[in-house]
Amino acid sequence: ILNVEQSPQSLHVQEGDSTNFTCSFPSSNFYALHWYRWETAKSPEALFVMTLNGDEKKKGRISATLNTKEGYSYLYIKGSQPEDSATYLCASYDGGANNLFFGTGTRLTVIP
Amino acid sequence: GAGVSQSPSNKVTEKGKDVELRCDPISGHTALYWYRQRLGQGLEFLIYFQGNSAPDKSGLPSDRFSAERTGESVSTLTIQRTQQEDSAVYLCASSLGRGVYEQYFGPGTRLTVT
Repeated sequence: ILNVEQSPQSLHVQEGDSTNFTCSFPSSNFYALHWYRWETAKSPEALFVMTLNGDEKKKGRISATLNTKEGYSYLYIKGSQPEDSATYLCASYDGGANNLFFGTGTRLTVIP
Repeated sequence: GAGVSQSPSNKVTEKGKDVELRCDPISGHTALYWYRQRLGQGLEFLIYFQGNSAPDKSGLPSDRFSAERTGESVSTLTIQRTQQEDSAVYLCASSLGRGVYEQYFGPGTRLTVT
């Protein structure tokens, strides 16, 4: 079992603010790190899959960075919009088990 | 194209009854996962299917839980003699493979055991 931790557990930001949150995971035997967005009443949706140390990926206003040596990833949202309100999940894969190990998520609320 | 579908979307059952949950994965996805999320907790892995290989059942919490998948098609998760602690959202996901492939999730089945 991999211990994947996310912080903060929840946060509220004003529309237009930029924000970021953290995912930490065991750095040994690292293989891949996933980010998903889970909006209420919808299915979790993949944002990024990252494998290389120093990797940075971007999708619109959302970007993510990866540090495999120290075992953390940051997710950034620039100019938050109400539609960004969701729970953001990260998950780590170590190449050993068949499954991903998920954190408990960061619940983001963007206030109009 | 069609995404992952699950049925039913909601299920309320009495303690002790059996329930069957269904997942239709994306066509061509060889990997299929079942997860559950109980209130206030993270996504918990239950079982993994990969093509015609033997499933990885290491996440099943008890022998009351079982799952089947025929080839790369529909999967069913069965919970026998349900208990209140089985109440959760059960999610199915499919992907092209394990690990580095993104997973496509269904909308989930909300199971409530009374």
